[in-house]
Amino acid sequence: DTGVSQDPRHKITKRGQNVTFRCDPISEHNRLYWYRQTLGQGPEFLTYFQNEAQLEKSRLLSDRFSAERPKGSFSTLEIQRTEQGDSAMYLCASSPGTGRSEAFFGQGTRLTVV
Amino acid sequence: AQKVTQAQTEISVVEKEDVTLDCVYETRDTTYYLFWYKQPPSGELVFLIRRNSFDEQNEISGRYSWNFQKSTSSFNFTITASQVVDSAVYFCALSEASGAAGNKLTFGGGTRVLVKP
Repeated sequence: DTGVSQDPRHKITKRGQNVTFRCDPISEHNRLYWYRQTLGQGPEFLTYFQNEAQLEKSRLLSDRFSAERPKGSFSTLEIQRTEQGDSAMYLCASSPGTGRSEAFFGQGTRLTVV
Repeated sequence: AQKVTQAQTEISVVEKEDVTLDCVYETRDTTYYLFWYKQPPSGELVFLIRRNSFDEQNEISGRYSWNFQKSTSSFNFTITASQVVDSAVYFCALSEASGAAGNKLTFGGGTRVLVKP
């Protein structure tokens, strides 16, 4: 499977715990994005990487959120001290480094904070 | 700031009927890109079509067709002869050319399509 893969697919955690999600983009794609999708809504942009550089962060990304993309390959999204409002689907997408082509999405990680 | 509005929250049709999904967008950019994505129950967003702002030619691809009208900032999408497998949530999205964040997408709220046998 050469698509975007995300791990885990589902995560249930207690409020206050830290969680980390992983995204493996399509191998030749330089651009990587994280989005958050709550129930019944469209995805909302969180952050963007060009290779290993994090070039933009949304105001949605509070101080409890951090994302990395070491070596410009896979990426991780960590949420510290989770809150119930963090419950959502976290989607990762990647696209080629040139032009304005479409982004390809993974199947997402569904986070439930109890 | 850019904005995408999908006024229809849910559409229910009987198989073989045509389905048209409405999308209206707002942007200050003169060059931008519009997309339609499909999200089946599995959750993965599947790319369907892409249109550049400088190309208003409407096209048909299989059972999909789209109507891009810059004058009214609309990018409507039609599924012809719908099938049960078309049941999903459909999202319209916008990407601005001037944005620093690569191909960052702004999504509409989605339209749930239910195709009944």
